[in-house]
Amino acid sequence: DAGVTQSPTHLIKTRGQQVTLRCSPISGHKSVSWYQQVLGQGPQFIFQYYEKEERGRGNFPDRFSARQFPNYSSELNVNALLLGDSALYLCASNAWLNYGYTFGSGTRLTVV
Amino acid sequence: DAKTTQPNSMESNEEEPVHLPCNHSTISGTDYIHWYRQLPSQGPEYVIHGLTSNVNNRMASLAIAEDRKSSTLILHRATLRDAAVYYCILTDAGGGAQKLVFGQGTRLTINP
Repeated sequence: DAGVTQSPTHLIKTRGQQVTLRCSPISGHKSVSWYQQVLGQGPQFIFQYYEKEERGRGNFPDRFSARQFPNYSSELNVNALLLGDSALYLCASNAWLNYGYTFGSGTRLTVV
Repeated sequence: DAKTTQPNSMESNEEEPVHLPCNHSTISGTDYIHWYRQLPSQGPEYVIHGLTSNVNNRMASLAIAEDRKSSTLILHRATLRDAAVYYCILTDAGGGAQKLVFGQGTRLTINP
């Protein structure tokens, strides 16, 4: 079975630009979450979606937005990129209610 | 968010058991105890989770104290591939966003 897939794997953007990251969950998983991991730190929660509805949002500015599609895949959008947005962006899916999460390998975003 | 406390680092030898402790004195009745690990340049990997009773799976065992204020992840026979950062995380089953709040984790080193 395919795991959680994320694209692209690496990305370089310029300050002020916009970026869209994509995630396909494990088949049958209706919950998708996004995390940001800055070098040397643990991942930080950005969003959780379940059945196409936002279930939670972390402490991130409105420049960050996300959505979930009918096939449960998800996109994370970041507008007006800052240097500090450079990080590994991780997507995780699960079957809900305290099942374990499966993480993708992440998208490495570098803002220059 | 309920907090967990873990040692910053631990060291063990290959083929020996490893006991990774976690304190969570403010745990509530609906909090599940999750363990994840992260290898360099990879997304976190689910290890195990439980609520009240001890749990076993192919990767590890989770021993939960009777008062639930602490738990121990047990790797029965460590291999070099078990070298990673291990995170102990509490998640609330009470509804809303089920976010994983990652702390600094325990960096486990396995000596050959």
